[in-house]
Amino acid sequence: DAGVIQSPRHEVTEMGQEVTLRCKPISGHDYLFWYRQTMMRGLELLIYFNNNVPIDDSGMPEDRFSAKMPNASFSTLKIQPSEPRDSAVYFCASMPSGYNEQFFGPGTRLTVL
Amino acid sequence: SQQGEEDPQALSIQEGENATMNCSYKTSINNLQWYRQNSGRGLVHLILIRSNEREKHSGRLRVTLDTSKKSSSLLITASRAADTASYFCATDANGNNRLAFGKGNQVVVIP
Repeated sequence: DAGVIQSPRHEVTEMGQEVTLRCKPISGHDYLFWYRQTMMRGLELLIYFNNNVPIDDSGMPEDRFSAKMPNASFSTLKIQPSEPRDSAVYFCASMPSGYNEQFFGPGTRLTVL
Repeated sequence: SQQGEEDPQALSIQEGENATMNCSYKTSINNLQWYRQNSGRGLVHLILIRSNEREKHSGRLRVTLDTSKKSSSLLITASRAADTASYFCATDANGNNRLAFGKGNQVVVIP
């Protein structure tokens, strides 16, 4: 199994631009999580899905952030418009039902200039 | 909200020595997990301990949980250079898979 796949690995963009981060979870995993990691705030859960349905989006910082999971093998996290304070590493993780271990992707390092 | 918090340590030890790091949290939990993160990589799950457990072992890892003190410790025995990483504890308060991560402990093992 290839593990959780994220793209792009690195993204540099200018303030005001739209950014879309992508995630392919491990096949058969029913849960998908989006996290953001910064030096100041550590690792924060943004949103998670179960069977493609958003369960808890209380960590999404503001309306500029949105996440979708149109099918079991794909999710996106979109920031529109992006701001410099959104610069962080964004991780996607997946997990099968009945387990507590989350499997993380390699992350997307986002830099907003 | 629940928050796992490690002692803000940066450990630097010699290969073969043991490394211990601690984590405290504020409210009751369903389980506590430890993850490792190598530089520039995603997190990797190491071990999970449930609220009704006091100690758990996995290879060279030993985790303890003291729910009365709301704290946990992770011990890595006979450390190796490959153990160099950041280690995070994460708490699951309700068994709903919503994890709260601590800030992490950086461990450097010198060959």
